[in-house]
Amino acid sequence: DIQMTQSPASLSASLGETVTIECLASEDIYSNLAWYQQKPGKSPQLLIYDASSLQDGVPSRFSGSESGTQYSLEINSLQSEDAATYFCQQHHDYPPTFGAGTKLELK
Amino acid sequence: QVQLKETGPDLVQLTQTLSITCTVSGFSLTTYNVHWVRQPPGKGLEWMGAMWNGGGTDYNSAFKSRLSISRDTSKSQVFLKMNSLQTDDTAKYFCARQKDGGYSRDPWFAYWGQGTLVTVSS
Repeated sequence: DIQMTQSPASLSASLGETVTIECLASEDIYSNLAWYQQKPGKSPQLLIYDASSLQDGVPSRFSGSESGTQYSLEINSLQSEDAATYFCQQHHDYPPTFGAGTKLELK
Repeated sequence: QVQLKETGPDLVQLTQTLSITCTVSGFSLTTYNVHWVRQPPGKGLEWMGAMWNGGGTDYNSAFKSRLSISRDTSKSQVFLKMNSLQTDDTAKYFCARQKDGGYSRDPWFAYWGQGTLVTVSS
């Protein structure tokens, strides 16, 4: 199975700041990476797929990028509603596998 | 609109069998693939398996032979059954749908149910 190593496990940032979350794949996943946002007690919500394609309805302050097997989610101009846990997921091969998550707290 | 809803027991006894139903609306099970994903409390997400729109299934080998997925297209329902439950099977179980239908088996999930929390008790 492809391993997804996500970092950091948690971070704290202020309103208006920019944060970056990273995921490292254990092998080449050819840009087949998705990012999800999950709030407590809720189901995950798709933010980005194919590493950088924004899901319909997701604010443009969310963006995805890649460099080799390293993938990043950037959130610009943090809003209060961005407080959540974020997961990456490779969708290149079965079984699809997820990162361990990054908990984002707003100061 | 697209909706998925899981229904199942809150509590299952150790070594018993778990049965969960995912009832969908707003799309056809013969056009879109539906997957099962679970999440232990406070932990990450784990893909369990898929019901393909053509009627076949695929499973995560981590569950070996104790997982079974089936469907009733006339009722727009997908079923998950897993036997020999252990305490580490305590989790919220989600059904989820791919964004694209037809021949796509690209497993990224644009639609999720609310999930159903199952506790395995001794």
